[in-house]
Amino acid sequence: GAGVSQSPRYKVAKRGQDVALRCDPISGHVSLFWYQQALGQGPEFLTYFQNEAQLDKSGLPSDRFFAERPEGSVSTLKIQRTQQEDSAVYLCASSLGVIAEAFFGQGTRLTVV
Amino acid sequence: DQQVKQNSPSLSVQEGRISILNCDYTNSMFDYFLWYKKYPAEGPTFLISISSIKDKNEDGRFTVFLNKSAKHLSLHIVPSQPGDSAVYFCAARLNRDDKIIFGKGTRLHILP
Repeated sequence: GAGVSQSPRYKVAKRGQDVALRCDPISGHVSLFWYQQALGQGPEFLTYFQNEAQLDKSGLPSDRFFAERPEGSVSTLKIQRTQQEDSAVYLCASSLGVIAEAFFGQGTRLTVV
Repeated sequence: DQQVKQNSPSLSVQEGRISILNCDYTNSMFDYFLWYKKYPAEGPTFLISISSIKDKNEDGRFTVFLNKSAKHLSLHIVPSQPGDSAVYFCAARLNRDDKIIFGKGTRLHILP
């Protein structure tokens, strides 16, 4: 596709359930970013990949959060034992790496009940 | 500690007039600045950027000004149009491959 694609668009999880969020970046984009956006806030950095290498995961809030990009293309953000405070929009973005602009997907809205 | 600050949560401007959105930052090592626009239920869309070696970048109705000594940048939209109503995020990067750090956003309302 022409843009960054995220699935699902909406996810409702019961507290304690594991969830997996998928991101298909723009073809050929080397860099991939995950962000978390709470209501009324700006996107907060979670983690960053360059190809398959996870270069920065300093923003992951706890060890319940795990991200992977095994073949340097599609990425999955996994949240184990979800809690109510995990409710947010999770945004994925990709960029060519040497160009500063990153292009965002529409996000996955996660609601933990 | 917030490194990118947008102190105005919202701004209302008459259609046809100039909209000025402001942003301050604390890290003098930032070398690239970006503005993103966001509509409800959509991801942020890249609008315009500026390198730290410049003080102005213009693209159509949008101009970004950078004042490094004051650690301040602003986005000017002129003339403002109804479709400009959205949330605008100021963002910064330490280098071209590093994470983008966002401000909390300013909601712009263009009044008819």
